[in-house]
Amino acid sequence: GAVVSQHPSWVICKSGTSVKIECRSLDFQATTMFWYRQFPKQSLMLMATSNEGSKATYEQGVEKDKFLINHASLTLSTLTVTSAHPEDSSFYICSASTTGTHTTFYEQYFGPGTRLTVT
Amino acid sequence: AQKITQTQPGMFVQEKEAVTLDCTYDTSDQSYGLFWYKQPSSGEMIFLIYQGSYDEQNATEGRYSLNFQKARKSANLVISASQLGDSAMYFCAMREPFTGGGNKLTFGTGTQLKVEL
Repeated sequence: GAVVSQHPSWVICKSGTSVKIECRSLDFQATTMFWYRQFPKQSLMLMATSNEGSKATYEQGVEKDKFLINHASLTLSTLTVTSAHPEDSSFYICSASTTGTHTTFYEQYFGPGTRLTVT
Repeated sequence: AQKITQTQPGMFVQEKEAVTLDCTYDTSDQSYGLFWYKQPSSGEMIFLIYQGSYDEQNATEGRYSLNFQKARKSANLVISASQLGDSAMYFCAMREPFTGGGNKLTFGTGTQLKVEL
């Protein structure tokens, strides 16, 4: 159980276009979803945290207007990279957390990641 | 603010040997949780083991054990009987309370483990 999917797994887009990444919890309701960014050989950097039905909380330095996050339901969150530039090329990972009885220590369940390349 | 330090950017171990990956942390909270994740080259984050700050026993999960020394603020991961499939990046992470709901994780910089024949 506790499976999180991400779609697409990889995407190539042209500079100036927007790209949407979906994160779904398949077998549980995620009260909170997290979006991370990871550059090659580096750690995961939290971009934002979203709760269903409310606005996302962005980490310092993350542009809200560039990285739009929508947590429309308890099983779906989307990250839209608007007006993408080559420096936005990265590995984007989502995770989902629940405060229900599914876990006793509020584990975050990670999606498989999306590799974005902006040309 | 919470901080996680992993001082070993890379480690090598012979197959079937044990290896210890270091992790130290800094927090002012009394209640916290420590996680270890494995990230193979495919990129997925695989949960390995969890230790709560109030847990008296060191956590163990199969070949993984966590050497938790609270006074030293260290939470080292021990992998016994290393296998070639253990070659991956390993991240230590700390759960911190998040007022908005859920629990944020702060990650260390990671240790790249290479298992050799």
